[in-house]
Amino acid sequence: DTEVTQTPKHLVMGMTNKKSLKCEQHMGHRAMYWYKQKAKKPPELMFVYSYEKLSINESVPSRFSPECPNSSLLNLHLHALQPEDSALYLCASSQIPGPFGGELFFGEGSRLTVL
Amino acid sequence: DAKTTQPNSMESNEEEPVHLPCNHSTISGTDYIHWYRQLPSQGPEYVIHGLTSNVNNRMASLAIAEDRKSSTLILHRATLRDAAVYYCILRSADGLTFGKGTHLIIQP
Repeated sequence: DTEVTQTPKHLVMGMTNKKSLKCEQHMGHRAMYWYKQKAKKPPELMFVYSYEKLSINESVPSRFSPECPNSSLLNLHLHALQPEDSALYLCASSQIPGPFGGELFFGEGSRLTVL
Repeated sequence: DAKTTQPNSMESNEEEPVHLPCNHSTISGTDYIHWYRQLPSQGPEYVIHGLTSNVNNRMASLAIAEDRKSSTLILHRATLRDAAVYYCILRSADGLTFGKGTHLIIQP
């Protein structure tokens, strides 16, 4: 199994809602990543988890709250989002963190629309 | 992450080789050079990566300059399915930071 599975594929939420995005991999990877991608722009790194601990937060607003409950699962909790947060949210994983960690495997993304 | 510079877009004909250039003049000794591509409405897909030596796999070849300040992704025989945005990225300690990429257009 070389897949990264993201759910839901599409999500529409109001500015006062609380929702979560989920990402799962069963490749035994110990590094997991959240990226945000706006239309016609490259993906932007948000968070990196290394061995289930948050190692990088790219100054992401606190309305985005990541969580890594175990080595296979990564969540992104969303609360009080703004319309400009509408984007494709991509999850990725790699064997280990850092430059020697090999390639990143990406999921298909969760397309979020904030009304 | 060190920066990479790529042409905004390139055009090629089907069944011909494609050479996609990338400059990374500030690369450090431990940075790996990665290439990913992204088709519309899909997540990025790994293509190839290398450190110093040229690399080949079933998808492409990666030619790395001796001083490592540039590299070239080679698609040996382009097909319409290769039309995508190609990202050249330096993999360092803090993940993968994407540059703007090259939009590859394949003409039939």
